[in-house]
Amino acid sequence: DAGITQSPRHKVTETGTPVTLRCHQTENHRYMYWYRQDPGHGLRLIHYSYGVKDTDKGEVSDGYSVSRSKTEDFLLTLESATSSQTSVYFCAISYTGGPGEQYFGPGTRLTVT
Amino acid sequence: AQKVTQVQTEISVVEKEDVTLDCVYETRDTTYYLFWYKQPPSGELVFLIRRNSFDEQNEISGRYSWNFQKSTSSFNFTITASQVVDSAVYFCALSDGRAGTASKLTFGTGTRLQVTL
Repeated sequence: DAGITQSPRHKVTETGTPVTLRCHQTENHRYMYWYRQDPGHGLRLIHYSYGVKDTDKGEVSDGYSVSRSKTEDFLLTLESATSSQTSVYFCAISYTGGPGEQYFGPGTRLTVT
Repeated sequence: AQKVTQVQTEISVVEKEDVTLDCVYETRDTTYYLFWYKQPPSGELVFLIRRNSFDEQNEISGRYSWNFQKSTSSFNFTITASQVVDSAVYFCALSDGRAGTASKLTFGTGTRLQVTL
């Protein structure tokens, strides 16, 4: 058990509203990631972090921002949610960098109406 | 750019049949890592295996086995004597092997395996 929790687990929001998803880990791992999962696309990397206040963009970062002010928390923000951001969002951690496998949280199902 | 292709979108088998899930990848890196994940109907993602680009030995873990062939850029996954509990979506993924940097995974689109009695 990698000790990863995500909150909320389910959320329905309206177009144009800001939304923040939280990923929390209990084991002080350096690397954290946000992915979205959509039918026909598998999982795609949104943003990742390699330390406190150190973040970078992934493949599908437009419309998303992240913050990591503490090792254990990695926040994903949709500044103004759109229907195209309806998805399942997964947070992940890796114990090491490049070669390391990732362990995933339980996911957050977000619906933007 | 890295790319992972899982040709089979869905596979249906009867319990006890063997089944192979294909994964083909593209990368310009000489060092890279390949992964398989399982996503059962409950939705969580479960790590199954990691293989580095320098190790072409096949791997067996119980009823699961993996065949890595660098010459064909493939990393196929076989389940022997499938069981209903194997029903899930299986993802193949690829990352570069740069130590000390974040492990950015590129996933395939997944293969849904349905095992029936």
